[in-house]
Amino acid sequence: QVTLKESGPVLVKPTETLTLTCTVSGFTLTDAKMGVSWIRQPPGKALEWLAQIFSNDEKSYRKSLKSRLTISKDTSISQVVLKMTKMDPVDTATYYCARIRLGSDYTPIFDYWGQGTLVTVSS
Amino acid sequence: EIVLTQSPGTLSLSPGAGATLSCRASQTVSSRYLAWYQQKPGQAPRLLIYGASSRATGIPDRFSGSGSGTDFSLTISRLESEDFAVYYCQQYVTSPITFGQGTRLEIK
Repeated sequence: QVTLKESGPVLVKPTETLTLTCTVSGFTLTDAKMGVSWIRQPPGKALEWLAQIFSNDEKSYRKSLKSRLTISKDTSISQVVLKMTKMDPVDTATYYCARIRLGSDYTPIFDYWGQGTLVTVSS
Repeated sequence: EIVLTQSPGTLSLSPGAGATLSCRASQTVSSRYLAWYQQKPGQAPRLLIYGASSRATGIPDRFSGSGSGTDFSLTISRLESEDFAVYYCQQYVTSPITFGQGTRLEIK
């Protein structure tokens, strides 16, 4: 059974650094056809892709946020970590991690999502 | 950045009716890289369709996807009560991966 679970602070202050952890089970981060992505959703708004990492450590970031984001993984404990610096109230959102499975033709498929964690940025 | 525009913004229909949701891309999107999700209040998005027309595991066959180029559609036949939700399209052909703004399907 594939599961992903996000964890991290529910409240951060402006200018602080947010650290979110995605703990996965039911698959391994070393599988050649697997990756993990972070996506966020401000309250009442649409989804916004942030970053992703694959088993070969290939990383991609949203260009507009690249200077603030760092994604990494620890395969020994099945975790993917996202750090976002200089948090601002506009970063208030539910943050999701999702599994990316590469299909037979290497089509990326975001097939399993965590439940999400709401992060509020406020002083 | 590829912008995905979904229409209509809100669709009001009765259970048993059919629904067609549209997703228009600002640039050509390979069908392999277009997906649809369903999201209910307080829940994570759920993958419905990937590769424009392939149903994800466990998705009923009343959900179908089609389209190519810049125009894609999600069709839901015979709406059931659990189908009323917000639907998003997503493209992953180029970075950044982008989502549409969503179509809210509500009970009439």
